[in-house]
Amino acid sequence: NAGVTQTPKFQVLKTGQSMTLQCAQDMNHEYMSWYRQDPGMGLRLIHYSVGAGITDQGEVPNGYNVSRSTTEDFPLRLLSAAPSQTSVYFCASRRDSRRGNEQYFGPGTRLTVT
Amino acid sequence: AQKVTQAQTEISVVEKEDVTLDCVYETRDTTYYLFWYKQPPSGELVFLIRRNSFDEQNEISGRYSWNFQKSTSSFNFTITASQVVDSAVYFCALARGGFNKFYFGSGTKLNVKP
Repeated sequence: NAGVTQTPKFQVLKTGQSMTLQCAQDMNHEYMSWYRQDPGMGLRLIHYSVGAGITDQGEVPNGYNVSRSTTEDFPLRLLSAAPSQTSVYFCASRRDSRRGNEQYFGPGTRLTVT
Repeated sequence: AQKVTQAQTEISVVEKEDVTLDCVYETRDTTYYLFWYKQPPSGELVFLIRRNSFDEQNEISGRYSWNFQKSTSSFNFTITASQVVDSAVYFCALARGGFNKFYFGSGTKLNVKP
C-alpha cells in the first residue's frame, strides 16, 4: 500500500494563478481531508469529505475548492492564489468518521505564492 | 475559540532526561477522542496514540506514556529517558461532535541534545 500520496511536493505560484493539489489514497478510506500548516498555528482543516460526492467546509475554507468523484481521490483547487495561501498542505484519510479513527497523512505539499 | 492548547512552544532537554508535553482541550461534548501526532524534521506526520473520552486509563508504550485527566481536561505526553531521535514537533488533537473535524494544537517543538 502506498498509503496517502500527494503531488506535487513543491510548488511556486504567482498571485492570481490557479492550481490543483492532488491527493490519493489506496486504503479504501471513506473520509479524506485537507489541512494547512502555518508556523505557530498547528494544522487547520480546510475541507473534508465523508465519502464520494460529499464534501464540507472546515475552519479555513475560503479560497479553496474541493470535489470527491471517487473514493480514492480528493483534489484541492486554488482558484486565484494569494500570498496568504503560502503554506504546507497536508492531505489525510481515515477509515470513516463514525468513530474517532486516527488519520493517516500524506507527505505534504509546500506551496509558495509570490 | 482555541479548542486545544499546547502552551509549551519549545522544550530543550539533554538526552536521557524525562520530558512531559502538556495538552489542554476544551469541549462540552461527552464523547470525544484525543490524539497525539509526531512530526520529525523530515516533515511527515506520524500517529502516536488515540484515546476516547470514556477511557481514562493511562497508557504506556515503551518510553512513551500518556496521562488523560478529564477533571482537568488534559492529555499529557511523557517521554522517559529521551533520545535524540525524539526531537520533533508534537501535536495534540481533538475530534469532537460528529468526529468529522479534528482540532490541532499549535504544537510543541522538542529538542533533545546529546
